[in-house]
Amino acid sequence: GAVVSQHPSRVICKSGTSVKIECRSLDFQATTMFWYRQFPKQSLMLMATSNEGSKATYEQGVEKDKFLINHASLTLSTLTVTSAHPEDSSFYICSARVQGTDSPLHFGNGTRLTVT
Amino acid sequence: AQSVTQLGSHVSVSEGALVLLRCNYSSSVPPYLFWYVQYPNQGLQLLLKYTSAATLVKGINGFEAEFKKSETSFHLTKPSAHMSDAAEYFCAVSLTGANNLFFGTGTRLTVIP
Repeated sequence: GAVVSQHPSRVICKSGTSVKIECRSLDFQATTMFWYRQFPKQSLMLMATSNEGSKATYEQGVEKDKFLINHASLTLSTLTVTSAHPEDSSFYICSARVQGTDSPLHFGNGTRLTVT
Repeated sequence: AQSVTQLGSHVSVSEGALVLLRCNYSSSVPPYLFWYVQYPNQGLQLLLKYTSAATLVKGINGFEAEFKKSETSFHLTKPSAHMSDAAEYFCAVSLTGANNLFFGTGTRLTVIP
């Protein structure tokens, strides 16, 4: 079955530094990937839609200059949290769908970001 | 606009007992509805989805959900809980067939031995 891989699974960084999270579709191509953020004991909130070869679409209230998204190939999207602050600490999850189908979204296992 | 409301942030059942997790939706057009399960520090796994083909939807791991338009509900059930069912469950709605999902706040299921 379709697998979405996220890396790293956990990352701790110091305030002011940047962190890159990778989302890969391992055995399928995805022109669109989605990035979610989940705070403790809360639901997933869609942050942005990543489009291969074009700019990402951000949800209202999400700072595009802080959360940089790059979707350079059909199997890889990256989310970079720039100048991270403690309030950015969260669980980030990506998802993708097999290109050209109406199959369900496949989710990665998430990345736990802790900013100290 | 579309949204889902999950009643009960935490549900506890005994092993072997019926599992019932509630979800009500709000949508201006016929929605697509989903149930996902999340185990600790993992992503989400699709349990089942409703796409208007049948009101009673059967999913993986013995779960099923019934779409009731008159009640705007899509409750998740399982006849007999297993210890392995302990997890967080999310109901989600989409108007576009699952590209843009809006999630409920989740229900944590605890199974008591």
